[in-house]
Amino acid sequence: NAGVTQTPKFRILKIGQSMTLQCTQDMNHNYMYWYRQDPGMGLKLIYYSVGAGITDKGEVPNGYNVSRSTTEDFPLRLELAAPSQTSVYFCASSPLGYEQYFGPGTRLTVT
Amino acid sequence: DQQVKQNSPSLSVQEGRISILNCDYTNSMFDYFLWYKKYPAEGPTFLISISSIKDKNEDGRFTVFLNKSAKHLSLHIVPSQPGDSAVYFCAASLTGANSKLTFGKGITLSVRP
Repeated sequence: NAGVTQTPKFRILKIGQSMTLQCTQDMNHNYMYWYRQDPGMGLKLIYYSVGAGITDKGEVPNGYNVSRSTTEDFPLRLELAAPSQTSVYFCASSPLGYEQYFGPGTRLTVT
Repeated sequence: DQQVKQNSPSLSVQEGRISILNCDYTNSMFDYFLWYKKYPAEGPTFLISISSIKDKNEDGRFTVFLNKSAKHLSLHIVPSQPGDSAVYFCAASLTGANSKLTFGKGITLSVRP
C-alpha cells in the first residue's frame, strides 16, 4: 500500500497561472480532504469529498476547485494563482471519517 | 475565530520525563478529539483520539485526557524519547459534520537527550 500520494512535491507558479495538485489513495477510502497549512498555523480545510461524485466546500475554498470522479483520485485545481495561495497543501483520506491519513504534502510558492 | 487553541507554541523536555501538551476548545458541540504528530517535510500522522463520552484514552506511552467542563484536553507522553520531537496538532470534530476536523496551530515538542 502506497497510502496517500501527492504530486508534485514542490512547485513555483507565477501570479495568474493555473495548476492541478494531484492526490491518489489506494486504501479504498470514501472520504478525502484537501488542507492548506500556512507557516505557524494549523491546517485549514479547503474542500472535502464523502465519495465519488460528491464534493463540498471547507473553510477556505475561494480560488480552488475540486472534482472526484473516482474513489482513488481527488485533484485540487488552482485557477489564477495569487501570492496568498503560497502554502503547503495536504491531501488526506479516511475510511469512515475522523482518523485521517495524510499525504506528504505539496509545497507551492506563487510569485 | 479560533475554535481549537494550542496556546503554547513550543515545549522542551528531558528524555525520560513526561511531556504534557495542552489544547483548549471553544465549541461545546465538538464530540471527538484527535492528536496528530508531524515531522518536517512529512504529512501529519494520527496518534491517538478520544470520544467525548470518555475522559481518558491510553495507547502505550501516549494518554489523552479530556475535561469537558473545562473544554480542555491534554496529551501525556511518558517516558519522552528524542524521536518524539515533532509538531503535535490537536484536532476536533463533531458528529454529522462529515468528520471535518478543526485543527489547532500545533505545538513543537523538543525532547533533549
